[in-house]
Amino acid sequence: AQKVTQAQTEISVVEKEDVTLDCVYETRDTTYYLFWYKQPPSGELVFLIRRNSFDEQNEISGRYSWNFQKSTSSFNFTITASQVVDSAVYFCALSEARRGSYKLIFGSGTRLLVRP
Amino acid sequence: GAGVSQTPSNKVTEKGKYVELRCDPISGHTALYWYRQSLGQGPEFLIYFQGTGAADDSGLPNDRFFAVRPEGSVSTLKIQRTERGDSAVYLCASSLGQGNTEAFFGQGTRLTVV
Repeated sequence: AQKVTQAQTEISVVEKEDVTLDCVYETRDTTYYLFWYKQPPSGELVFLIRRNSFDEQNEISGRYSWNFQKSTSSFNFTITASQVVDSAVYFCALSEARRGSYKLIFGSGTRLLVRP
Repeated sequence: GAGVSQTPSNKVTEKGKYVELRCDPISGHTALYWYRQSLGQGPEFLIYFQGTGAADDSGLPNDRFFAVRPEGSVSTLKIQRTERGDSAVYLCASSLGQGNTEAFFGQGTRLTVV
């Protein structure tokens, strides 16, 4: 069965601290995709990154970086020098191709609060 | 508009009533998804359309839930005999389809059943 676990329900940091959000996934497929989405208070899910199962290279985008490790089935997300605007709920998600559907299986989310 | 549009943004209905939620995807996107998000949880998949057909409806919780996309663009999620447990935010997402995995989400419809 497919499953995504985000064990951290809520994290609170002070501005400029680095913070890592954990994501562990389960799947039997060899081909799959992993995602991170941000959900600010407005409610709309904002796409951050997609990774396919064959690409284990870490990725950096500005203050954001992602560490994908198939050996531990993890896809962790780090924010460097956090800012108040980073406060949101962050979701990790898994997608597998089924009859052309790339439906997303989400974790329960991690609420990040960045205090000034 | 440029993004996925959902109407209404909020809907309050009485238990037992029928409701329709509308999703207008990004122009040219052939794939359309409906999700449901309860408070404090991640979104849960309901149904996937490729064009006009429902290619995967495995997430619909029961036969009170139904969705259509008659012309391959706008989709309507229909809920009959609403129950208090149906209260949630209903999210719609669209993507280019044909193997493209990046889905863009609307702002959601908050449904409250009283």
